[in-house]
Amino acid sequence: DAKTTQPNSMESNEEEPVHLPCNHSTISGTDYIHWYRQLPSQGPEYVIHGLTSNVNNRMASLAIAEDRKSSTLILHRATLRDAAVYYCILSRLGYSGAGSYQLTFGKGTKLSVIP
Amino acid sequence: KAGVTQTPRYLIKTRGQQVTLSCSPISGHRSVSWYQQTPGQGLQFLFEYFSETQRNKGNFPGRFSGRQFSNSRSEMNVSTLELGDSALYLCASSLAGAERETQYFGPGTRLLVL
Repeated sequence: DAKTTQPNSMESNEEEPVHLPCNHSTISGTDYIHWYRQLPSQGPEYVIHGLTSNVNNRMASLAIAEDRKSSTLILHRATLRDAAVYYCILSRLGYSGAGSYQLTFGKGTKLSVIP
Repeated sequence: KAGVTQTPRYLIKTRGQQVTLSCSPISGHRSVSWYQQTPGQGLQFLFEYFSETQRNKGNFPGRFSGRQFSNSRSEMNVSTLELGDSALYLCASSLAGAERETQYFGPGTRLLVL
């Protein structure tokens, strides 16, 4: 299974940019890179995803290395509400091959935002 | 649009009992996945259903089962509960479970086994 490696924790000051790194050296050509986050006492929440090109949405940006072996989630201005565990995930075709993709979560990065 | 709902939100059972958890996906979503979250193992994939068929299954014992109804609502069942089954059980829905799709998670059911 393709695995991802993330730092256990990171800190950021409020209103500063945050760069959350993820290594996925065994990624295959068809694996999408997803980022989800989980706020305390809530289910995971989608942040962003991409395949090869950098992606932007209203929440964040995703920078994908040219060889796709690493990616970086960028929060442009961290707020206290961004304090969460951030998961970098590769969606992988399930065992049946019947079009079902599962999310394989790692330990994630716990982001703390300092006021 | 209403989000993913899960019932009950909290549950206390004793060892040996069985439990059924329910998940109502977002309207129009046909894929429902279940995950178990524990402090030690993190988030682990249990199974995925699409159009009432289980398409994908994680590495869990047969005590864990599920089903999906024609309206896409899903239930998961755990029989012969063990202490280690205490966890947050999350369900997520998406349109069809494809690799590019966003999965929308519910708030979870917190199960405590005594």
